[in-house]
Formats: sequence, C-alpha cells, structure tokens
Amino acid sequence: AQSVSQHNHHVILSEAASLELGCNYSYGGTVNLFWYVQYPGQHLQLLLKYFSGDPLVKGIKGFEAEFIKSKFSFNLRKPSVHWSDTAEYFCAVISSGAGSYQLTFGKGTKLSVIP
Amino acid sequence: GAGVSQTPSNKVTEKGKYVELRCDPISGHTALYWYRQSLGQGPEFLIYFQGTGAADDSGLPNDRFFAVRPEGSVSTLKIQRTERGDSAVYLCASSLTSGRGPRNEQFFGPGTRLTVL
Repeated sequence: AQSVSQHNHHVILSEAASLELGCNYSYGGTVNLFWYVQYPGQHLQLLLKYFSGDPLVKGIKGFEAEFIKSKFSFNLRKPSVHWSDTAEYFCAVISSGAGSYQLTFGKGTKLSVIP
Repeated sequence: GAGVSQTPSNKVTEKGKYVELRCDPISGHTALYWYRQSLGQGPEFLIYFQGTGAADDSGLPNDRFFAVRPEGSVSTLKIQRTERGDSAVYLCASSLTSGRGPRNEQFFGPGTRLTVL
C-alpha cells in the first residue's frame, strides 16, 4: 500500500526565514502529488499540485514544490515565511492503483511562524 | 461560488447511538469522497462515490459504517452503534470527476467533529 511520510512534526521559524518541509511517498508508479494547508479554524485548502510536466510547481502565496522522481520526494518550499503562514501542512498523493483515486495523506507538519 | 458544505459542524453522541453526517458537494461535481481525521493524523480515506454508486469503499473500518448518495449529489455517512474510537473529524471532498489528472482536484468541506462519549 502506498504511504506518505512527512519528516517534521512541528517546525518553528521566525518571520522572513526560509522554509522547506519534507515529503516522501512510497509508490513507484505514476503519481499525482499535492500539498494542502489548514489554517487555524479553517478547512483544508489546496496549496499546489503536480500532475505532469515541469517538476517545479508554483502554488499560492509564494509556495513552490519540486517533484524529484528518483527520490520519491515532493518537498515544499518558501523563501521567506510570514506569520500568516502559521498552519498545518499536509502532503498527499494519488497513485494509479486499480480504480482507486483517493488521496493518501501524510501525518502533517505544523508550522509556527514567530513575528 | 459555494464550496463543499457539511452538517452538523459538531456532533456529540453517546456510545452505542446512531449518527448521520451530511455532505453537500460543489454543484456539478460527480465524485465525492469521505475521509476521517483523528487527532494528530492526516485525513484517512473512507469511501468514494462516482455518481450514485460507491466506487471504492475499501477505507470503511467495519460494517458499522455506511454511506449513501442516492441522487448523485448529497451524501450521508451513517455510523451505527458508535464507539469512543469513532471520535474524529469527518471530512467530505468533491471533485469534477474521479481519476488522475487536473479534473480530480478535490475540494474539502469544513468537516464534522464527532465526539462519542
């Protein structure tokens, strides 16, 4: 069965620091990859997605992620964080399993940005 | 436009009771998904519908859980004989269609927080 690993449970940064959140997945076939964000008190929102093509994808609010197939990774990055980026971030994958299109999520990384 | 809505937002029930959780997907979305998120975990898949039929129910933990989508729009997740371990946030998502590719972008609702005492 496919799985998604997020390496950091809780990350604390000061404003303007750079961010990189790790994500690795276990499936070896064709995948679609996603990062979702959940701000305090709000529902899950899509941050960015990769389906095919350029492995460097740009999302909302200055976030980007790079798909490295050889490393089974899809790390999330932002050059300079803002206090409003405080949220929980989830990496997720859809694989090409037989007719199965559900998202498999990692456990999430809580990001706290100190003003 | 309106997003995915879920009712109730909170549900407190006693062990052994029956509960129903409702999901109203985005209009025109044919695929609908239910996930469950326990404390400190990411969402875990329960079941998904393509139209009226359950295309994959492999994530339902046992036969106390059942879901329907009779008219291909609103869906109801039903839990019989609730147990304390069922306490979680139940999330619903919808997408334009199922399958891999951009049309499968899933939009999530706010969730129903279920507490079983």
